[in-house]
Amino acid sequence: GDSVTQMEGPVTLSEEAFLTINCTYTATGYPSLFWYVQYPGEGLQLLLKATKADDKGSNKGFEATYRKETTSFHLEKGSVQVSDSAVYFCASLNTGGFKTIFGAGTRLFVKA
Amino acid sequence: AAGVIQSPRHLIKEKRETATLKCYPIPRHDTVYWYQQGPGQDPQFLISFYEKMQSDKGSIPDRFSAQQFSDYHSELNMSSLELGDSALYFCASSLGVTVINNEQFFGPGTRLTVL
Repeated sequence: GDSVTQMEGPVTLSEEAFLTINCTYTATGYPSLFWYVQYPGEGLQLLLKATKADDKGSNKGFEATYRKETTSFHLEKGSVQVSDSAVYFCASLNTGGFKTIFGAGTRLFVKA
Repeated sequence: AAGVIQSPRHLIKEKRETATLKCYPIPRHDTVYWYQQGPGQDPQFLISFYEKMQSDKGSIPDRFSAQQFSDYHSELNMSSLELGDSALYFCASSLGVTVINNEQFFGPGTRLTVL
């Protein structure tokens, strides 16, 4: 079945460091891909998305490119801030599908 | 813009009690999904409804049931609650399942604590 694998955390970075969180997926067909962010004690917020191969999703300085050849959707940010500390979930949704498949989540700590 | 509404936001119950969680989808969305997120876990799909009919079923215990009503809101009924049911329960909604890129929009969640 469909699955999403993302790098284990926690990831600890200093402010202004470069961030990469790896995500790969397996799916039948051509899923849409998402990154969600969850701040402590809060719900899921959509961070960015990409709906087809080579699409780049971007928001708040975060970017991820849908790579069909490597079945990947890695999350990057050039300069992280303390306020970026949260748990990040990679997710996939097949067209016509009824459920979003989530990765295990990666906790990010950013130190001042 | 209107978002998915869930109520209550917090709920505390005793073991063996029942609980009902409610979800109000974004206007004109006809599909709702329920997810359970345990402490430190990723959200796990429970069940979904499209046009008031169950459309898919995930890892939902037999003690749980859900339905979607004529106004498209949905309720998740949980009986004989166990300590392990303590979790954050998300509802999501989308516009149909035949629409390309039917992104799911998530509600803020209901945090259930079973004592």
